[in-house]
Amino acid sequence: AQTVTQSQPEMSVQEAETVTLSCTYDTSENNYYLFWYKQPPSRQMILVIRQEAYKQQNATENRFSVNFQKAAKSFSLKISDSQLGDTAMYFCAFMSPNAGNNRKLIWGLGTSLAVNP
Amino acid sequence: GAVVSQHPSRVICKSGTSVKIECRSLDFQATTMFWYRQFPKKSLMLMATSNEGSKATYEQGVEKDKFLINHASLTLSTLTVTSAHPEDSSFYICSAHTGGHEKLFFGSGTQLSVL
Repeated sequence: AQTVTQSQPEMSVQEAETVTLSCTYDTSENNYYLFWYKQPPSRQMILVIRQEAYKQQNATENRFSVNFQKAAKSFSLKISDSQLGDTAMYFCAFMSPNAGNNRKLIWGLGTSLAVNP
Repeated sequence: GAVVSQHPSRVICKSGTSVKIECRSLDFQATTMFWYRQFPKKSLMLMATSNEGSKATYEQGVEKDKFLINHASLTLSTLTVTSAHPEDSSFYICSAHTGGHEKLFFGSGTQLSVL
């Protein structure tokens, strides 16, 4: 069974600095999708970034980028120039495109990130 | 981007009553909808997966007679918490899959408080 591990329950960073959130996963599949979701205090889940496993290039969305290491099954999220609005819970998630899995997400336990002024 | 509307955002009810939560995909057809439960500062716990026109698939440990899910159309899924008890108090979130794009879009959640 697939699993997702986020080993950092809480992290903090100073405004304008860079922070990296770690995520590792376990799967025997070769093709899959990885996601980072953000959940601010409003509790609305927001997609931050998405990576397709068959693409070697790391996904980037403005200040957010990932370091995808397929062999190591690692998918870390780097937030550059941290802003106060980045304060949130961050969840790493895995999806198998196999129809039998109904495309459900496997979630990590989350990392609570606090950006300090 | 795709929008998923979830209502109500907050509901308080008496023990023993039933509560219905709606989840609508506003600008796309959702082939699959997922219902999650989330406790404070915890991860999302998948309760069930529903495909339009078929019975929902419940995760192990989730009572299907207590948490009734209906997915009658490609744009609407409902979760009914029947005979609610205080231990059902939680944050419930729906999400919809667009099909073919491997993206999920989330509703804004419903905070259920059972007195």
